[in-house]
Amino acid sequence: EVHLVESGGGLVHPGGSLRLSCAASGFTFSSYWMSWVRQAPGKGLEWVANIKQDGSQKNYVDSVKGRFTISRDNAKNSLYLQMNSLRAEDTAVYYCARDWPGHSAYDSWGQGTLVTVSS
Amino acid sequence: QSALTQPPSASGSPGQSVTISCTGTSSDVGGYNYVSWYQQHPGKAPKLMIYEVTKRPSGVPDRFSGSKSGNTASLTVSGLQAEDEADYYCSSFVGSGNRFGGGTKLTVL
Repeated sequence: EVHLVESGGGLVHPGGSLRLSCAASGFTFSSYWMSWVRQAPGKGLEWVANIKQDGSQKNYVDSVKGRFTISRDNAKNSLYLQMNSLRAEDTAVYYCARDWPGHSAYDSWGQGTLVTVSS
Repeated sequence: QSALTQPPSASGSPGQSVTISCTGTSSDVGGYNYVSWYQQHPGKAPKLMIYEVTKRPSGVPDRFSGSKSGNTASLTVSGLQAEDEADYYCSSFVGSGNRFGGGTKLTVL
């Protein structure tokens, strides 16, 4: 069974940094694109970033370019999101999601980790 | 990078059918047959219900169906059941990632 578990969320001041992690199990992690999707309180879903199987290609939504970095460690079956220069509008639940190959859809999701940016 | 447009709410009585629309542009919904729909219950992670406009993942009831015409995709839930009450989000491939809709809260009356 596919299992994705996020961690690393918390309260951080504006301008601060945070690193999210996603531990994957139940599938061959190195064979899948992976994504981060966020959801601000009471709001809709927003795709944040994705990364190719070998980490050689990364894409970001415009609002986080230059501030967030997605990475992965296939040996540890883990996905990461380094978030710098955090803003109030980055406050959200951050989900780790598996990209279903060839279908441009997310077929497995973690339970999410809450990031709150506030002074 | 504007979100796809969905009605904020929809409703129907048990047993009825309800359709939720998702409007984009030729750069997203209209440009690709990669529209997906997600169901999200309060406090839970989203669940994939429809992919590639019309296809259902294994385990999703056939009461859920999808379609597309031009720049607008639609999700239809037939034979509404109480457990269908949830938020629904559409999503479209946009080249480097996916773009989501603002979400529709489906209420079963």
